[in-house]
Amino acid sequence: AQSVTQLDSHVSVSEGTPVLLRCNYSSSYSPSLFWYVQHPNKGLQLLLKYTSAATLVKGINGFEAEFKKSETSFHLTKPSAHMSDAAEYFCVVIRERAGTALIFGKGTTLSVSS
Amino acid sequence: DAGVTQSPTHLIKTRGQQVTLRCSPKSGHDTVSWYQQALGQGPQFIFQYYEEEERQRGNFPDRFSGHQFPNYSSELNVNALLLGDSALYLCASSFRGWDAPYNEQFFGPGTRLTVL
Repeated sequence: AQSVTQLDSHVSVSEGTPVLLRCNYSSSYSPSLFWYVQHPNKGLQLLLKYTSAATLVKGINGFEAEFKKSETSFHLTKPSAHMSDAAEYFCVVIRERAGTALIFGKGTTLSVSS
Repeated sequence: DAGVTQSPTHLIKTRGQQVTLRCSPKSGHDTVSWYQQALGQGPQFIFQYYEEEERQRGNFPDRFSGHQFPNYSSELNVNALLLGDSALYLCASSFRGWDAPYNEQFFGPGTRLTVL
């Protein structure tokens, strides 16, 4: 069965420094992977998605992620953190052979200090 | 475009009661999925509706049931509430979500259910 593991429950960075949120996946097939962000009292928003077209995926707000099959990883990065990036981030995989049900990781809380 | 809307925003129930949560999908969307998000956890898939039928189901008991109406809106019903059902319930909509995994799923703000 597919799953995703987010390696850090909490990441703290200073404004203007790089962001790295780590995610490993487990899947028998070529996976469909996503990163979602959840701001307090707001709905989940799609940051980016990997659909096998390119291993480096660019998303909204300057985020990007690289699919590495050899490492079964899909880490999320951003060159320079902004205060507005503080939120909960979820790595997500689609459930195999079952339509489009999303399987979420446990989430990583990103804190950004000034 | 109002996006995905859910009602009510908050709800307090006691053990054993029944609850109904409602979701209106984003304009143009025909597929609705429901997720349960416990405090400090990622959302868990409950089920998905397309063309008024349940198409997929996660690992949830039969106490959780749903419905989709001809206008694509949806309800989530939970019977015999348990303390463990306390969570944020999220609704997501998409276009042809049943067979189009790359079509973005748009989430509503959720309904916070507290069971006492």
